[in-house]
Amino acid sequence: QQQVKQSPQSLIVQKGGIPIINCAYENTAFDYFPWYQQFPGKGPALLIAIRPDVSEKKEGRFTISFNKSAKQFSLHIMDSQPGDSATYFCAAREFGNQFYFGTGTSLTVIP
Amino acid sequence: DTEVTQTPKHLVMGMTNKKSLKCEQHMGHRAMYWYKQKAKKPPELMFVYSYEKLSINESVPSRFSPECPNSSLLNLHLHALQPEDSALYLCASSQAISGQGNYGYTFGSGTRLTVV
Repeated sequence: QQQVKQSPQSLIVQKGGIPIINCAYENTAFDYFPWYQQFPGKGPALLIAIRPDVSEKKEGRFTISFNKSAKQFSLHIMDSQPGDSATYFCAAREFGNQFYFGTGTSLTVIP
Repeated sequence: DTEVTQTPKHLVMGMTNKKSLKCEQHMGHRAMYWYKQKAKKPPELMFVYSYEKLSINESVPSRFSPECPNSSLLNLHLHALQPEDSALYLCASSQAISGQGNYGYTFGSGTRLTVV
């Protein structure tokens, strides 16, 4: 059973566009929601993370929006660049337990 | 030092070989993990070590044998692997696996393993 559902599977945007990646979960015990960025041949790198008591968090061009009642969270990339082309994974952690990853979104930013 | 270092970066091994993957971190993290990642898929958890003790084994076949010699090192010993075990093997570390706090993972770049 997929603990964290992620969509879309792939996304193509023009440079400067704002790609949005969505994740949904059911387990209300999740207490920490990170996003990871992975380039081909590399390990995932922590991009930004949020806790459920916060509705939005910004770090540079990356923003997480969190809707606790809907059990959904999303990643927005402002002014996207070709260098942002990568695979993005959302994840969720239950207190004291392992992380559960979404299925990943392959983002392509066209110059 | 904010990195997790994995060696080797690439490994090709036969089905009868024995090899080891190595992972090292010097961030003082007390939890270390092995993940397996197939192409275009999310990482799958294999093992978790907390304070140098194995705390989670996700029903991984015995041909994979983890070892944590000290708080900075994590090894994965491989023996009699199958071609379907070919994947990117990722090591990760975090401050801890339990308790409050934002314990995000730091991943290494992985070892690309090919079993022939």
